[in-house]
Amino acid sequence: AQRVTQPEKLLSVFKGAPVELKCNYSYSGSPELFWYVQYSRQRLQLLLRHISRESIKGFTADLNKGETSFHLKKPFAQEEDSAMYYCALRGRYGGSQGNLIFGKGTKLSVKP
Amino acid sequence: NAGVTQTPKFRILKIGQSMTLQCAQDMNHNYMYWYRQDPGMGLKLIYYSVGAGITDKGEVPNGYNVSRSTTEDFPLRLELAAPSQTSVYFCASSPRLNTGELFFGEGSRLTVL
Repeated sequence: AQRVTQPEKLLSVFKGAPVELKCNYSYSGSPELFWYVQYSRQRLQLLLRHISRESIKGFTADLNKGETSFHLKKPFAQEEDSAMYYCALRGRYGGSQGNLIFGKGTKLSVKP
Repeated sequence: NAGVTQTPKFRILKIGQSMTLQCAQDMNHNYMYWYRQDPGMGLKLIYYSVGAGITDKGEVPNGYNVSRSTTEDFPLRLELAAPSQTSVYFCASSPRLNTGELFFGEGSRLTVL
């Protein structure tokens, strides 16, 4: 079964501390994984995707196929990073083109 | 560009009523999607469309209908609303096939009492 698991509902850190938002997936084949973010009163938007291997707003995520994980990391958290973060897997079942399977989300709270 | 626009933002329905959630995009995207998000859960795909006149079911289509008469519009129809349809509904679009980059609307919060 294709599944995305985000084990933490809430993650609270202090400004300047490192952040790691966990994401584990279940998928047979080569996965495509993404991180989406929703800031307060804003739309859900793509943060980064594993294929591009880029750093966005200081965040990086590495796909670890051995551990089936795609954790989101940032070395020094900022208050403006406070948001809901969703890990997503691009599924291939049926004919659902571009169908994303989302995790339940982790709320990141960065305290001053 | 307004992007993806959803209306209404909030709605309360009585059991058995019907309504249509509107979704429009001005980015000329061929691909459009409807998701629902129940409290504490991830988004689940209801229906999607790969172009005008073409729609298909997603993971949770029961109780819903869609149409796609134009590239811009992708309304979601709820017939005979039930409490289980209380959720936040998101419309999204994407410019290319098989991409994970979706552009979302602001969401529509529906409560069925």
